[in-house]
Amino acid sequence: ELKVEQNPLFLSMQEGKNYTIYCNYSTTSDRLYWYRQDPGKSLESLFVLLSNGAVKQEGRLMASLDTKARLSTLHITAAVHDLSATYFCAVGHNAGGTSYGKLTFGQGTILTVHP
Amino acid sequence: NAGVTQTPKFRILKIGQSMTLQCAQDMNHNYMYWYRQDPGMGLKLIYYSVGAGITDKGEVPNGYNVSRSTTEDFPLRLELAAPSQTSVYFCASSYSAAEPRYGYTFGSGTRLTVV
Repeated sequence: ELKVEQNPLFLSMQEGKNYTIYCNYSTTSDRLYWYRQDPGKSLESLFVLLSNGAVKQEGRLMASLDTKARLSTLHITAAVHDLSATYFCAVGHNAGGTSYGKLTFGQGTILTVHP
Repeated sequence: NAGVTQTPKFRILKIGQSMTLQCAQDMNHNYMYWYRQDPGMGLKLIYYSVGAGITDKGEVPNGYNVSRSTTEDFPLRLELAAPSQTSVYFCASSYSAAEPRYGYTFGSGTRLTVV
């Protein structure tokens, strides 16, 4: 059974600081996604990581994937208040083509950026 | 292009009542999913469908039913609502499990309270 764990679950940051959110998963997968969710809103896709060593960057966020360690990171550089949200990683079920695109989500990391 | 449309956005049900959560997509996606999100938790898969007439259970299917008579629509039925079904429900769709780079498109969610 695929299990996905994020840490930390809560992250309070000062503006301008750097931090990393970690996403560990338990079984082999060929796809990992990062999503952002604002309070009361739906999920917005941030990054799609499909291969070992993949690195994607958008603004102050950078995501990476190490499939051998079964670990993805979401690094925040020089945080700003607008980044306050909940961040989820989601890992694809890898079942030889019969996964049907199913994802298992981490618990989410609630990020709050303070002035 | 509307994407994934969910209705209603909010609903309060009494214990034992039934209702149908509607989900429609206009992207000609084959794969559709229902997830529930409990407070402070990640999303859990309820049911999914890989095409019209084909559905299967996810991680937490008890108390729910689905049907998929067309490519566009994937309604979720709650029979005999219970307080444990109080949650936010998200419908999502994807083009193909073989094209993971596109990921999911999520609806805006239905916030359901059972009292």
